[in-house]
Amino acid sequence: QQQVKQSPQSLIVQKGGISIINCAYENTAFDYFPWYQQFPGKGPALLIAIRPDVSEKKEGRFTISFNKSAKQFSLHIMDSQPGDSATYFCAASTGPGTASKLTFGTGTRLQVTL
Amino acid sequence: DAGVTQSPTHLIKTRGQQVTLRCSPKSGHDTVSWYQQALGQGPQFIFQYYEEEERQRGNFPDRFSGHQFPNYSSELNVNALLLGDSALYLCASSRVGYEQYFGPGTRLTVT
Repeated sequence: QQQVKQSPQSLIVQKGGISIINCAYENTAFDYFPWYQQFPGKGPALLIAIRPDVSEKKEGRFTISFNKSAKQFSLHIMDSQPGDSATYFCAASTGPGTASKLTFGTGTRLQVTL
Repeated sequence: DAGVTQSPTHLIKTRGQQVTLRCSPKSGHDTVSWYQQALGQGPQFIFQYYEEEERQRGNFPDRFSGHQFPNYSSELNVNALLLGDSALYLCASSRVGYEQYFGPGTRLTVT
């Protein structure tokens, strides 16, 4: 049972453009939603995270938009750069405490072209 | 400040064998989680250790077991290896209630 659905599977964006990756979840108990960036041969690196008490969070060129009623959240990468080319994973968990296992989406492979 | 470290980097085993993977958490972290990432997929939660006890477990068989030591480092053991166990095994560490940080992973190939 896939609890976090991610789309698209792959994405090609021109340098300077906006990359948008979407995720939808089913479990209403989720209350922590991080995004991870993974380069080939490396482990996932935490990029940005949000809790459902806010609808948007921005850190530099990266923004998370969160829609609690629709059970959807998305990552926007502004002014996309070739160095952003990586696989991005959304994830969700039931929040703080020791029971904080992450449920991941299937990933989006982003390619930023010149 | 060293991040999460894992050893070995790569490992090749034969079906039926047993394997042990090791993880040292980031300084100040006391919780270790293990994930399995098959090629082209997102990481899947195996289990989590805190205070040397398994606190939560994902949908993995008993062939997967673990341990956490007093210094918070951890081991993942897999018995009776199957071809389907070939994957990148990731360790993530955190402090209770805070973000998880991943290590580089151990690439396990079962032949």
